[in-house]
Amino acid sequence: NFMLTQPHSVSESPGKTVTISCTRSSGSIASNYVQWYQQRPGSAPTTVIYEDNQRPSGVPDRFSGSIDSSSNSASLTISGLKTEDEADYYCQSYDSSNQVVFGGGTKLTVL
Amino acid sequence: EVQLVQSGAEVKKPGESLKISCKGSGYSFTSYWIGWVRQMPGKGLEWMGIIYPGDSDTRYSPSFQGQVTISADRSISTAYLQWSSLKASDTAMYYCARREVGTVDFDYWGQGTLVTVSS
Repeated sequence: NFMLTQPHSVSESPGKTVTISCTRSSGSIASNYVQWYQQRPGSAPTTVIYEDNQRPSGVPDRFSGSIDSSSNSASLTISGLKTEDEADYYCQSYDSSNQVVFGGGTKLTVL
Repeated sequence: EVQLVQSGAEVKKPGESLKISCKGSGYSFTSYWIGWVRQMPGKGLEWMGIIYPGDSDTRYSPSFQGQVTISADRSISTAYLQWSSLKASDTAMYYCARREVGTVDFDYWGQGTLVTVSS
Protein backbone atom coordinates (compact mmCIF):
# COMPACT_ATOMS: atom_id res chain seq x y z
CA ASN A 1 0.00 0.00 0.00
CA PHE A 2 1.03 3.67 -0.18
CA MET A 3 0.90 6.78 1.98
CA LEU A 4 -0.08 10.32 1.17
CA THR A 5 2.20 12.82 2.90
CA GLN A 6 1.15 16.40 3.55
CA PRO A 7 2.93 19.22 5.37
CA HIS A 8 1.70 19.46 8.93
CA SER A 9 0.93 23.16 8.64
CA VAL A 10 1.14 26.15 6.34
CA SER A 11 0.41 29.79 6.92
CA GLU A 12 -0.10 32.80 4.72
CA SER A 13 -1.61 36.25 4.79
CA PRO A 14 -5.07 37.24 3.56
CA GLY A 15 -5.14 37.95 -0.15
CA LYS A 16 -2.10 35.81 -0.87
CA THR A 17 -1.85 32.40 -2.51
CA VAL A 18 -0.96 29.16 -0.74
CA THR A 19 -0.27 25.71 -2.09
CA ILE A 20 -0.62 22.50 -0.08
CA SER A 21 1.16 19.41 -1.36
CA CYS A 22 0.23 15.74 -1.09
CA THR A 23 2.99 13.30 -2.05
CA ARG A 24 2.29 9.67 -2.87
CA SER A 25 4.90 7.32 -1.41
CA SER A 26 4.71 4.60 -4.08
CA GLY A 27 2.89 4.07 -7.32
CA SER A 28 1.93 6.86 -9.65
CA ILE A 29 -0.08 9.82 -8.39
CA ALA A 30 -1.89 9.67 -11.71
CA SER A 31 -3.07 6.10 -11.10
CA ASN A 32 -6.05 7.16 -9.01
CA TYR A 33 -7.94 10.40 -8.68
CA VAL A 34 -7.10 12.73 -5.80
CA GLN A 35 -9.73 14.56 -3.79
CA TRP A 36 -9.28 17.40 -1.30
CA TYR A 37 -11.47 17.97 1.74
CA GLN A 38 -11.74 21.05 3.93
CA GLN A 39 -12.55 20.60 7.60
CA ARG A 40 -13.28 23.66 9.67
CA PRO A 41 -13.04 23.34 13.47
CA GLY A 42 -15.99 21.47 14.89
CA SER A 43 -17.40 20.55 11.49
CA ALA A 44 -17.49 17.60 9.17
CA PRO A 45 -15.24 17.60 6.09
CA THR A 46 -16.50 18.98 2.78
CA THR A 47 -15.14 18.42 -0.70
CA VAL A 48 -13.29 21.32 -2.31
CA ILE A 49 -11.66 19.37 -5.18
CA TYR A 50 -12.49 15.99 -6.71
CA GLU A 51 -10.98 14.04 -9.60
CA ASP A 52 -7.66 15.90 -9.26
CA ASN A 53 -8.92 19.30 -10.40
CA GLN A 54 -12.72 19.48 -10.41
CA ARG A 55 -14.59 21.88 -8.17
CA PRO A 56 -17.99 20.98 -6.76
CA SER A 57 -20.68 23.55 -7.32
CA GLY A 58 -20.53 26.19 -4.64
CA VAL A 59 -16.77 25.99 -4.16
CA PRO A 60 -15.14 29.29 -5.20
CA ASP A 61 -12.79 29.25 -8.17
CA ARG A 62 -10.07 30.46 -5.77
CA PHE A 63 -9.62 26.75 -5.08
CA SER A 64 -7.79 24.69 -7.68
CA GLY A 65 -6.18 21.27 -7.81
CA SER A 66 -3.46 19.69 -9.89
CA ILE A 67 -1.17 16.69 -10.05
CA ASP A 68 2.53 16.57 -10.96
CA SER A 69 3.90 13.24 -12.08
CA SER A 70 7.51 14.43 -11.82
CA SER A 71 7.17 14.92 -8.06
CA ASN A 72 4.46 12.26 -7.74
CA SER A 73 2.30 14.69 -5.87
CA ALA A 74 -1.01 16.48 -5.93
CA SER A 75 -1.47 20.10 -4.96
CA LEU A 76 -4.29 22.25 -3.67
CA THR A 77 -3.88 25.93 -4.40
CA ILE A 78 -5.99 28.60 -2.75
CA SER A 79 -5.66 32.10 -4.13
CA GLY A 80 -6.96 35.35 -2.69
CA LEU A 81 -6.87 33.83 0.79
CA LYS A 82 -9.66 34.72 3.16
CA THR A 83 -9.81 34.21 6.90
CA GLU A 84 -12.70 31.78 6.31
CA ASP A 85 -10.26 29.47 4.46
CA GLU A 86 -8.52 28.74 7.75
CA ALA A 87 -9.11 25.02 8.23
CA ASP A 88 -7.57 21.59 8.01
CA TYR A 89 -7.19 20.19 4.49
CA TYR A 90 -6.95 16.50 3.65
CA CYS A 91 -6.02 14.85 0.39
CA GLN A 92 -7.55 11.47 -0.41
CA SER A 93 -7.04 8.83 -3.06
CA TYR A 94 -7.57 5.11 -3.59
CA ASP A 95 -5.27 2.11 -3.59
CA SER A 96 -5.32 -0.83 -5.99
CA SER A 97 -8.00 -2.54 -3.88
CA ASN A 98 -10.18 0.54 -4.09
CA GLN A 99 -9.56 1.28 -0.43
CA VAL A 100 -9.65 4.92 0.61
CA VAL A 101 -6.32 6.48 1.59
CA PHE A 102 -6.23 9.82 3.43
CA GLY A 103 -3.28 12.13 3.82
CA GLY A 104 -2.37 13.19 7.33
CA GLY A 105 -3.90 16.63 6.93
CA THR A 106 -2.54 20.17 6.74
CA LYS A 107 -3.54 22.97 9.06
CA LEU A 108 -3.89 26.20 7.13
CA THR A 109 -3.54 29.38 9.14
CA VAL A 110 -4.52 32.67 7.53
CA LEU A 111 -2.89 35.43 9.51
CA GLU B 1 -32.44 18.14 0.61
CA VAL B 2 -29.82 15.44 1.06
CA GLN B 3 -29.03 14.76 4.70
CA LEU B 4 -27.05 12.22 6.67
CA VAL B 5 -28.09 12.44 10.30
CA GLN B 6 -26.04 10.53 12.83
CA SER B 7 -27.03 9.35 16.27
CA GLY B 8 -26.02 11.30 19.33
CA ALA B 9 -22.91 11.27 21.46
CA GLU B 10 -22.21 8.17 23.53
CA VAL B 11 -20.29 7.60 26.75
CA LYS B 12 -19.40 3.97 27.36
CA LYS B 13 -17.17 1.84 29.55
CA PRO B 14 -14.43 -0.43 28.22
CA GLY B 15 -15.81 -3.81 27.25
CA GLU B 16 -19.30 -2.51 26.47
CA SER B 17 -20.93 -2.85 23.08
CA LEU B 18 -22.19 0.00 20.93
CA LYS B 19 -24.03 0.58 17.67
CA ILE B 20 -24.18 4.07 16.15
CA SER B 21 -26.32 5.04 13.20
CA CYS B 22 -26.40 7.22 10.11
CA LYS B 23 -29.81 7.91 8.55
CA GLY B 24 -29.97 9.11 4.96
CA SER B 25 -32.77 11.20 3.53
CA GLY B 26 -33.48 13.22 0.42
CA TYR B 27 -31.98 10.69 -1.97
CA SER B 28 -32.17 7.04 -2.97
CA PHE B 29 -30.38 5.40 -0.04
CA THR B 30 -29.77 2.14 -1.89
CA SER B 31 -27.96 3.84 -4.79
CA TYR B 32 -25.04 5.31 -2.86
CA TRP B 33 -22.20 3.85 -0.85
CA ILE B 34 -21.97 4.88 2.82
CA GLY B 35 -18.48 5.06 4.28
CA TRP B 36 -17.30 5.46 7.87
CA VAL B 37 -14.35 7.61 8.96
CA ARG B 38 -12.72 7.85 12.38
CA GLN B 39 -11.13 11.02 13.75
CA MET B 40 -9.37 10.61 17.06
CA PRO B 41 -9.05 13.72 19.24
CA GLY B 42 -6.79 16.24 17.55
CA LYS B 43 -5.87 13.81 14.78
CA GLY B 44 -6.58 13.25 11.12
CA LEU B 45 -9.14 11.26 9.16
CA GLU B 46 -8.89 7.47 9.12
CA TRP B 47 -10.76 5.24 6.71
CA MET B 48 -12.74 2.44 8.35
CA GLY B 49 -14.88 0.87 5.66
CA ILE B 50 -17.86 1.17 3.37
CA ILE B 51 -21.18 -0.47 2.60
CA TYR B 52 -23.47 -0.43 -0.42
CA PRO B 53 -26.97 -0.65 1.03
CA GLY B 54 -28.35 -1.82 -2.31
CA ASP B 55 -26.85 -5.28 -1.85
CA SER B 56 -25.01 -4.98 1.51
CA ASP B 57 -21.61 -5.30 -0.19
CA THR B 58 -19.24 -4.31 2.65
CA ARG B 59 -15.51 -3.63 2.54
CA TYR B 60 -13.28 -2.91 5.51
CA SER B 61 -9.97 -1.15 5.85
CA PRO B 62 -7.41 -3.76 6.92
CA SER B 63 -6.81 -1.60 10.00
CA PHE B 64 -10.40 -2.02 11.14
CA GLN B 65 -11.28 -5.49 9.83
CA GLY B 66 -12.46 -7.58 12.77
CA GLN B 67 -12.60 -4.54 15.07
CA VAL B 68 -15.96 -3.15 13.94
CA THR B 69 -19.02 -4.24 11.98
CA ILE B 70 -20.67 -2.12 9.32
CA SER B 71 -24.26 -2.85 8.34
CA ALA B 72 -27.32 -1.20 6.84
CA ASP B 73 -31.10 -1.45 6.99
CA ARG B 74 -32.51 -0.41 3.64
CA SER B 75 -36.06 -0.31 4.97
CA ILE B 76 -35.22 2.66 7.19
CA SER B 77 -32.39 4.15 5.10
CA THR B 78 -29.92 3.73 7.93
CA ALA B 79 -26.33 2.53 8.10
CA TYR B 80 -24.66 1.35 11.27
CA LEU B 81 -21.22 1.05 12.82
CA GLN B 82 -20.91 -1.27 15.77
CA TRP B 83 -18.43 -2.56 18.32
CA SER B 84 -18.79 -5.69 20.42
CA SER B 85 -16.23 -4.70 23.03
CA LEU B 86 -15.10 -1.09 23.21
CA LYS B 87 -11.62 0.01 24.21
CA ALA B 88 -10.46 3.38 25.48
CA SER B 89 -8.62 3.80 22.18
CA ASP B 90 -12.00 3.80 20.37
CA THR B 91 -12.63 7.27 21.79
CA ALA B 92 -13.11 9.40 18.71
CA MET B 93 -15.50 11.26 16.43
CA TYR B 94 -17.03 8.99 13.83
CA TYR B 95 -18.38 10.32 10.54
CA CYS B 96 -20.49 8.68 7.89
CA ALA B 97 -20.33 9.95 4.32
CA ARG B 98 -21.98 8.97 1.06
CA ARG B 99 -20.41 8.30 -2.31
CA GLU B 100 -22.29 7.91 -5.54
CA VAL B 101 -21.64 4.74 -7.54
CA GLY B 102 -18.96 5.42 -10.13
CA THR B 103 -17.66 8.56 -8.44
CA VAL B 104 -14.68 9.09 -6.20
CA ASP B 105 -15.54 11.74 -3.66
CA PHE B 106 -17.73 11.71 -0.59
CA ASP B 107 -20.16 14.50 -1.33
CA TYR B 108 -22.29 14.55 1.83
CA TRP B 109 -21.19 13.87 5.36
CA GLY B 110 -23.01 13.29 8.60
CA GLN B 111 -22.47 15.68 11.49
CA GLY B 112 -20.40 13.11 13.37
CA THR B 113 -20.97 10.98 16.46
CA LEU B 114 -18.60 11.45 19.40
CA VAL B 115 -17.87 8.19 21.19
CA THR B 116 -16.13 8.41 24.56
CA VAL B 117 -14.90 5.22 26.19
CA SER B 118 -13.77 5.65 29.76
CA SER B 119 -13.86 3.69 32.97
